Amino acid sequence: DGGITQSPKYLFRKEGQNVTLSCEQNLNHDAMYWYRQDPGQGLRLIYYSQIVNDFQKGDIAEGYSVSREKKESFPLTVTSAQKNPTAFYLCASSSPGSPSGANVLTFGAGSRLTVL
Amino acid sequence: SQQGEEDPQALSIQEGENATMNCSYKTSINNLQWYRQNSGRGLVHLILIRSNEREKHSGRLRVTLDTSKKSSSLLITASRAADTASYFCATRRNNNAGNMLTFGGGTRLMVKP
Repeated sequence: DGGITQSPKYLFRKEGQNVTLSCEQNLNHDAMYWYRQDPGQGLRLIYYSQIVNDFQKGDIAEGYSVSREKKESFPLTVTSAQKNPTAFYLCASSSPGSPSGANVLTFGAGSRLTVL
Repeated sequence: SQQGEEDPQALSIQEGENATMNCSYKTSINNLQWYRQNSGRGLVHLILIRSNEREKHSGRLRVTLDTSKKSSSLLITASRAADTASYFCATRRNNNAGNMLTFGGGTRLMVKP
């Protein structure tokens, strides 16, 4: 089955540590995204990548880093510079939109990061 | 910044009743989408309506779009307990070269059996 796999599902981190969240897709999608969701809130865009070896900052990129070395993979590193990293992280992907610009996202199941 | 804002933030109804959620946005859009999220899970795409469409149906879902008021509504008819979830609207801005979607804060729907 095609889909997006995020790992780990739960992650605990001590303050000052960097952690990397994995996101892998087998949908052959070009674009991939990372969103952050806080309790009872909507989604905020951290980083996105439209093509391999290229990525752009979203609305809340500070304290995060990404790489896109392969089409299938878009890992997110939460660095020690992120002051409030406890959150639910969602990875998504999409195929290029039609000329009218439709862009439907397929999401992974999410990774919940807790800073101890 | 949040492009879309849902209203109400929370909604509790009895099974069989209809549920209506509203979404307002600020800038011109290319399309508007609704997603569903079960607790602790990823989002699932429900329906997309383009800026030149006014109404769209999919099963028990009905979506309307009023671009003059910059608003959309999602109607779930004959609700079921399994419809309990959070519902988010998402917009793709017309001038967004990155093709990104911006999500609202969501409506938490509880359907009581």
